[in-house]
Amino acid sequence: DQQVKQNSPSLSVQEGRISILNCDYTNSMFDYFLWYKKYPAEGPTFLISISSIKDKNEDGRFTVFLNKSAKHLSLHIVPSQPGDSAVYFCAASAEGANSKLTFGKGITLSVRP
Amino acid sequence: SAVISQKPSRDICQRGTSLTIQCQVDSQVTMMFWYRQQPGQSLTLIATANQGSEATYESGFVIDKFPISRPNLTFSTLTVSNMSPEDSSIYLCSVLGGVYNYGYTFGSGTRLTVV
Repeated sequence: DQQVKQNSPSLSVQEGRISILNCDYTNSMFDYFLWYKKYPAEGPTFLISISSIKDKNEDGRFTVFLNKSAKHLSLHIVPSQPGDSAVYFCAASAEGANSKLTFGKGITLSVRP
Repeated sequence: SAVISQKPSRDICQRGTSLTIQCQVDSQVTMMFWYRQQPGQSLTLIATANQGSEATYESGFVIDKFPISRPNLTFSTLTVSNMSPEDSSIYLCSVLGGVYNYGYTFGSGTRLTVV
């Protein structure tokens, strides 16, 4: 049973445009959500996170939105750059930032020059 | 954030053999974690390794198949035993504490192919 779902396996956008990566979850106990970025032959690196007490968190070009009623979160990248091309994993935990993470399958983002 | 060195980065192994993956951290950490990412799948936690105690395994993973050592606060190994092609995956070690001191920091992973 996939508790964190990233239903779109891939996304392609033009450089300079907005990238929107979606993530859905089923476990209502999740209270902390993270996005990780992964380049080939490297481990995932932390990108941005959001607590369930917020509905938006912004860090430079990256913004994460959380809709708790819909159990949905999204990562917006504006403007998209070719260096953003990577696999993006959505992850969630039920006890804050430092507890066990449940990951989605990832979305491969390609940003075209 | 912690820096993790993981090796080997990749290996091709014969079925029935075992492979030991090493993970070295540049600082002392209480907990280290081992994940598996099968092709097209999400990262799945195998076990949590605490120094001085036996590892805690997640449902579906057993010590006989994935023995873990944690001899000190900066090092851990994961062995994939009696391998079969289904064990072909990327294996990642991770520690708690990263950017802004929350979340996890990951090693670069070991890409294992069993033939």
